[in-house]
Amino acid sequence: QKEVEQNSGPLSVPEGAIASLNCTYSDRGSQSFFWYRQYSGKSPELIMFIYSNGDKEDGRFTAQLNKASQYVSLLIRDSQPSDSATYLCAVIHSGANNLFFGTGTRLTVIP
Amino acid sequence: SAVISQKPSRDICQRGTSLTIQCQVDSQVTMMFWYRQQPGQSLTLIATANQGSEATYESGFVIDKFPISRPNLTFSTLTVSNMSPEDSSIYLCSAEGRGRSYNEQFFGPGTRLTVL
Repeated sequence: QKEVEQNSGPLSVPEGAIASLNCTYSDRGSQSFFWYRQYSGKSPELIMFIYSNGDKEDGRFTAQLNKASQYVSLLIRDSQPSDSATYLCAVIHSGANNLFFGTGTRLTVIP
Repeated sequence: SAVISQKPSRDICQRGTSLTIQCQVDSQVTMMFWYRQQPGQSLTLIATANQGSEATYESGFVIDKFPISRPNLTFSTLTVSNMSPEDSSIYLCSAEGRGRSYNEQFFGPGTRLTVL
């Protein structure tokens, strides 16, 4: 069974710190990886995507992908209280078009 | 990008009844999906809504319980049939469009369903 696992939360970090969110996936053939942010009571919104091994930076966010180890991570630098949300790792498995979501990690940034 | 609307936004229904949720996209899209998000949980794919053919259901979901229509490239409906309290959940429609990535999925605001 293809699975996407995220580090158990909740995760709390002080304002200004780096928040590190991790995700592992079981389907070695997966090619597309996404991080969605979901505020309470809202629908998910895409914040990062990554297709190739290595790091991808976008503002305060950095996605890291290691296909050999089958993990993808999200770093949030200079965390802000507005970053408090649930972060969902999502993967498109080989041969599929749909997203397969991980369990989500709830992040709280403490002012 | 794709802007997605859903109706109704929420509903409270009686056991044994059915509810049809509508999803409208502001542009033509090839791929549309229906997800369920139970309280405090992540998103689970129910089915892919295929235009002009039967939906493709994920394991654990069947057409008799969750019939789906996709009459054109901008619209889809999901019906939750013969509801029980276990069907209480948020139902989300999504569509694949060209956003920041070529295969970005955009989500509607969701339909919060409570079954009594």
